[in-house]
Amino acid sequence: NAGVTQTPKFRILKIGQSMTLQCTQDMNHNYMYWYRQDPGMGLKLIYYSVGAGITDKGEVPNGYNVSRSTTEDFPLRLELAAPSQTSVYFCASSHTGFEQYFGPGTRLTVT
Amino acid sequence: GQQVMQIPQYQHVQEGEDFTTYCNSSTTLSNIQWYKQRPGGHPVFLIQLVKSGEVKKQKRLTFQFGEAKKNSSLHITATQTTDVGTYFCADTNAGKSTFGDGTTLTVKP
Repeated sequence: NAGVTQTPKFRILKIGQSMTLQCTQDMNHNYMYWYRQDPGMGLKLIYYSVGAGITDKGEVPNGYNVSRSTTEDFPLRLELAAPSQTSVYFCASSHTGFEQYFGPGTRLTVT
Repeated sequence: GQQVMQIPQYQHVQEGEDFTTYCNSSTTLSNIQWYKQRPGGHPVFLIQLVKSGEVKKQKRLTFQFGEAKKNSSLHITATQTTDVGTYFCADTNAGKSTFGDGTTLTVKP
């Protein structure tokens, strides 16, 4: 099993550009999450999903959108990128909603 | 999720010394998870505690859940350089987790 995979690993965006961060898991987990981690800080939940077709906002959803059309995929969309969205983005999945498996992360810079 | 506070933010120890990080909440926690993130890496699940007063051990790591379920601790005995990283606690409710800001451990050989 590959576990949780994220693409791209790195990306530089100009202010106002848009992009989609991809996340795929092959563990048939119902729960999936998107977090951002700013330097020296903890993880802030952006969006999460408890199953295909269901998504909910986390602590910091503004400026982001998600969809969950399949169990495996949970893409995160950034519209009109802003410097405040410079961060490391982690996707995670879980079978129970408790023990989470994280992907390797996407390092995003907005200039 | 509820807000969880972690202390200290940083801890620097000599190899062989012990290390403890604490996770505190003003309200009762349903459960607590602990994760470790190596520098430049992603968080890795270590353990979950659910019961009041629960104690679990993983080799040199000891995890405790307070009797009132408002705090938890992670203790590492005789630290090694492989223990460096940031340790996070998290509280999970209805599938949604709230992470503490973590304690970053550095170990001097």
